[in-house]
Amino acid sequence: KAGVTQTPRYLIKTRGQQVTLSCSPISGHRSVSWYQQTPGQGLQFLFEYFSETQRNKGNFPGRFSGRQFSNSRSEMNVSTLELGDSALYLCASSLDGPGGEQYFGPGTRLTVT
Amino acid sequence: AQTVTQSQPEMSVQEAETVTLSCTYDTSENNYYLFWYKQPPSRQMILVIRQEAYKQQNATENRFSVNFQKAAKSFSLKISDSQLGDTAMYFCASAGGTSYGKLTFGQGTILTVHP
Repeated sequence: KAGVTQTPRYLIKTRGQQVTLSCSPISGHRSVSWYQQTPGQGLQFLFEYFSETQRNKGNFPGRFSGRQFSNSRSEMNVSTLELGDSALYLCASSLDGPGGEQYFGPGTRLTVT
Repeated sequence: AQTVTQSQPEMSVQEAETVTLSCTYDTSENNYYLFWYKQPPSRQMILVIRQEAYKQQNATENRFSVNFQKAAKSFSLKISDSQLGDTAMYFCASAGGTSYGKLTFGQGTILTVHP
């Protein structure tokens, strides 16, 4: 089975712009979660989608949003980028159910200048 | 709410030796799950081992095993016969039984295996 894929792998944006990141889960996985990884804050949960519905959300401002399509692919969007949004954004997919093992993609490295 | 604490920012071990990484957690849920993930320099997060809290038996995956002490809320990872490829950042994580798709991570431990 193909693993989780994320596009693009690297991205450079300027403050104030918006960005959209994409994630394709492992075939058959319907749950997609997003995480932000920074040296200062570590790994933080952004949100989780299942069957096109956001089921869980972390403590991030409304500038961070996401969606999921009927084929389980997911996108996350960050509007009005700030320098502090520079991070590695990781997507993970899993089969449904609590405590499910999450399988991570390679991440998108976002740099905001 | 869940919190996960890893008190060892860095550790090192000689090839073929055994090393133990520490993790403590706190949770208000009765049913929860614990994980160890490995993140090598490539940044690809890899699941190492998973433990269901209601199972008393410690999980084992080849050279990797855990010591799960539920009352002490401790979940340490033992790596036996360390290999150079084990060099990575290791994250301890928890997931509540009612918290779908959300992993709470510790700060991570950088493990270096020396030849």
